[in-house]
Amino acid sequence: NAGVTQTPKFQVLKTGQSMTLQCAQDMNHNSMYWYRQDPGMGLRLIYYSASEGTTDKGEVPNGYNVSRLNKREFSLRLESAAPSQTSVYFCASSERAGATDTQYFGPGTRLTVL
Amino acid sequence: EDQVTQSPEALRLQEGESSSLNCSYTVSGLRGLFWYRQDPGKGPEFLFTLYSAGEEKEKERLKATLTKKESFLHITAPKPEDSATYLCAVQALKNFNKFYFGSGTKLNVKP
Repeated sequence: NAGVTQTPKFQVLKTGQSMTLQCAQDMNHNSMYWYRQDPGMGLRLIYYSASEGTTDKGEVPNGYNVSRLNKREFSLRLESAAPSQTSVYFCASSERAGATDTQYFGPGTRLTVL
Repeated sequence: EDQVTQSPEALRLQEGESSSLNCSYTVSGLRGLFWYRQDPGKGPEFLFTLYSAGEEKEKERLKATLTKKESFLHITAPKPEDSATYLCAVQALKNFNKFYFGSGTKLNVKP
């Protein structure tokens, strides 16, 4: 099992450009999440999908959109990138069956917006 | 407001020197508290989940404990390979789809 995979690993954008970060999990998990990690601020939730077909805003959703393409895939889109979106982005998934809410994280995408 | 504070921000230990990391939390009803390890350039790796005050979990040199206001990650006789950033997160009962992370403790164990 690959677990949670993310593409690309690195990306440099210019202000105003758009891009989509891809995430896939092979653990048959129901829930998926997108976080950003900035120095000294910890992980902050951008959007989550509690189950296939649903998405909801997290703590910092402005400037982002998401799509839960199917049970395996959850993408994050930046429509018009801004320097404030320079960060490391992590995708995570969890089973959400019973009391098991443990999240499993991907390796991250390091995004720089110039 | 739900929040998590970790201390210290950074900790340097000699190999074999035991210590503890702290995670203080404020949440309106705790569903779960999670500890993760994060190595440079990688995603967080799950260590423990604690659900109720008094609960303890152990894994090799690590032991996590939980009270009503804080959690401790005790590291006994650490080795250089324990060097990493340790993250704490809480999940609230009111919306258990949301997880609140602390900013982490960066641990450096010198041989």
